Amino acid sequence: DTAVSQTPKYLVTQMGNDKSIKCEQNLGHDTMYWYKQDSKKFLKIMFSYNNKELIINETVPNRFSPKSPDKAHLNLHINSLELGDSAVYFCASSQVYLAGGLSYEQYFGPGTRLTVT
Amino acid sequence: GNSVTQMEGPVTLSEEAFLTINCTYTATGYPSLFWYVQYPGEGLQLLLKATKADDKGSNKGFEATYRKETTSFHLEKGSVQVSDSAVYFCALIIAAGNKLTFGGGTRVLVKP
Repeated sequence: DTAVSQTPKYLVTQMGNDKSIKCEQNLGHDTMYWYKQDSKKFLKIMFSYNNKELIINETVPNRFSPKSPDKAHLNLHINSLELGDSAVYFCASSQVYLAGGLSYEQYFGPGTRLTVT
Repeated sequence: GNSVTQMEGPVTLSEEAFLTINCTYTATGYPSLFWYVQYPGEGLQLLLKATKADDKGSNKGFEATYRKETTSFHLEKGSVQVSDSAVYFCALIIAAGNKLTFGGGTRVLVKP
């Protein structure tokens, strides 16, 4: 029972190509995120969506475009890939409102390691 | 802005040794605090959390106490195992549904 899944797990591609990473969560959460982990393991938010609406859009090149077809899916499309885009991309999800109050926990997928050559 | 600072690694320990990883934060507002763990080749797993001052989060023998006066959330484990070898991330969040702000991660290597 995978809670947050990503495909593919590994992605090797050449500079200039366009690629997509898919994320799905079966937790019924209303908010999804993309984080980027660089080669030094530093993690930083890229985007978040709440019920298919863009909520967070950090300073990310516009070559990166998230798309949320429904609240269980958040895909990341990257145009004109550059060497510096090589990283591990993590999808995460959370449910803000629970019966007992607010929830702050985010659940992460296994990551997609993108290598641009 | 918000930031998290944690001790740089790697931290190398022998099995059954005591582990402490320091974490301090700067935040506008009243954050919730987390420790996440990343085992080799895997994603991030939530290890423990604390949502208000003096709360103690605990899981799998790990503990951390939310200290508002020192803006700290240090992670401790009394007796580490080889299987605890991983990268540990301290993180904060200001509001539910907002972004997590992570520290730089601390790699821990436990030797038999």
